[in-house]
Amino acid sequence: SQTIHQWPATLVQPVGSPLSLECTVEGTSNPNLYWYRQAAGRGLQLLFYSVGIGQISSEVPQNLSASRPQDRQFILSSKKLLLSDSGFYLCAWSTGQVNNSPLHFGNGTRLTVT
Amino acid sequence: GEDVEQSLFLSVREGDSSVINCTYTDSSSTYLYWYKQEPGAGLQLLTYIFSNMDMKQDQRLTVLLNKKDKHLSLRIADTQTGDSAIYFCAESYSGGYQKVTFGTGTKLQVIP
Repeated sequence: SQTIHQWPATLVQPVGSPLSLECTVEGTSNPNLYWYRQAAGRGLQLLFYSVGIGQISSEVPQNLSASRPQDRQFILSSKKLLLSDSGFYLCAWSTGQVNNSPLHFGNGTRLTVT
Repeated sequence: GEDVEQSLFLSVREGDSSVINCTYTDSSSTYLYWYKQEPGAGLQLLTYIFSNMDMKQDQRLTVLLNKKDKHLSLRIADTQTGDSAIYFCAESYSGGYQKVTFGTGTKLQVIP
C-alpha cells in the first residue's frame, strides 16, 4: 500500500533563516506531488505541484520554492523565512497520468516563524 | 474562477445525523470529494463521487449530488464524538494534473 511521510512535524524558525521541508511517498511510481499551505486551520492554498522529476509548477508567487530531486521526493524550501510564512504545510500525492485520482495527504508540518 | 463554499460550523448531538453542505461553481467538475481533518493532522479522504452519480453510500456516510444546483452534501448517520473534525468538500477538473479546489471546511462539533 502507498504511504506518504512528511517531516518534521513541527518547526520553529527565526525570521530570515532558511527552510527545508521534506516529503516522500512509498508504494507508487511517478506520482503527482503537491505542496499546500493551510492558514488558520482552514482553507488550503496550492503552492506547488509536480508531475515528474525536476518538473515544478508554482501556483502563487511567494518566498518559497520546491524541488523534486527523485521520483518520490518533494522538498519545500526557502532561503529567508518571513513571518507570513507561518502556517500548516501539507504534502499530497495522486496517481500520475490518471485524471481525477484522489489526493492523499501527509500529516503536515506546523511551521512557526518568530 | 472555481469556488467551493461551505458553512463554517455545525453542532449536533451524539447519535443524531449530521448533514454537511457544499456548493461549487464549476460545472465541468468531474469528481467531488469529502475529506476529514482532525486537529493537528493532515486531510483524510473519506469518500468521493463521480459527477454523473446522484448518490453514494458507504457505511454511515451518504453523499448526495445535485448537479443542476451544484450542491453536494455529506450525511453522517449516528454521529459519534469521534466524528468531531473539520470536513472539507473539494472538486477536481480534468487536466494535465490533478487540479483540486477545496472549500473552507465545516467544523463539526458532536455534543455527548
